Amino acid sequence: GENVEQHPSTLSVQEGDSAVIKCTYSDSASNYFPWYKQELGKRPQLIIDIRSNVGEKKDQRIAVTLNKTAKHFSLHITETQPEDSAVYFCAATYQAGTALIFGKGTTLSVSS
Amino acid sequence: DADVTQTPRNRITKTGKRIMLECSQTKGHDRMYWYRQDPGLGLRLIYYSFDVKDINKGEISDGYSVSRQAQAKFSLSLESAIPNQTALYFCATSGRGTGEVSNQPQHFGDGTRLSIL
Repeated sequence: GENVEQHPSTLSVQEGDSAVIKCTYSDSASNYFPWYKQELGKRPQLIIDIRSNVGEKKDQRIAVTLNKTAKHFSLHITETQPEDSAVYFCAATYQAGTALIFGKGTTLSVSS
Repeated sequence: DADVTQTPRNRITKTGKRIMLECSQTKGHDRMYWYRQDPGLGLRLIYYSFDVKDINKGEISDGYSVSRQAQAKFSLSLESAIPNQTALYFCATSGRGTGEVSNQPQHFGDGTRLSIL
C-alpha cells in the first residue's frame, strides 16, 4: 500500500528564516498532494495543495514543489513568523487516487 | 469549519463498551472519512465513503465499523472498546471532482477525544 515518509519530525527556526519540510511517497499512481497545518488543540486545515501535472505552486510565503520522478514533494515557508508554529502534515492519494495517506507530521517552532 | 460537526467532543468510557461517534456535514459533500490521530503517528485513515452505498476500509479498520446513514451523516462505531483505541478521532469531508481534479481538499471537523479506561 501507499506509504508517506515525512522529515524532519521537529524543526526549530528563528523568525524570518525559511523552513523546509520534505515528504516521499511510494505509490507512483498518487496524483494529489495536500499540506495541512494543525495548531495545538485545533483541527487540521489545508494550507496548500499540488496536483501531479504541476511542478511547483506558490501562495504568498508558502510554496510546494513536486518531483514525480523521485516521488518526493516539499513545503517551503519563507519569512517565518511565530504564528507559523504548528504541526504540519503532508499527504498523498491512496489506492489510485481515492483517499489520503498522511505523513507523521513535523512540529515547527518559530522563535522570535 | 462549523460545516462538519462531530459529536460528542469528548468521551470517557470503559473497556468492552460499545461506542458510536457521529459526524454530520452541511457542505453537501459526497465523500466522508474517519481518521484517528495519535501522538507521533499522524492521521491514520480508518474508513471512507464516497456515497451512501459506498464504504471502504482504510489503513486501520480492525475493531471499527461505520455506517453512512445519509449523504450528510457518517458514524463510526467501536463494538467493544479497548484501551489502545484511546485517541483523537477526526471526521472529514470532500467534494467530488472530475478528471484531473477528481481529488478535492478535505475539510475536518473539530475532533472527538476518546478515552477508554
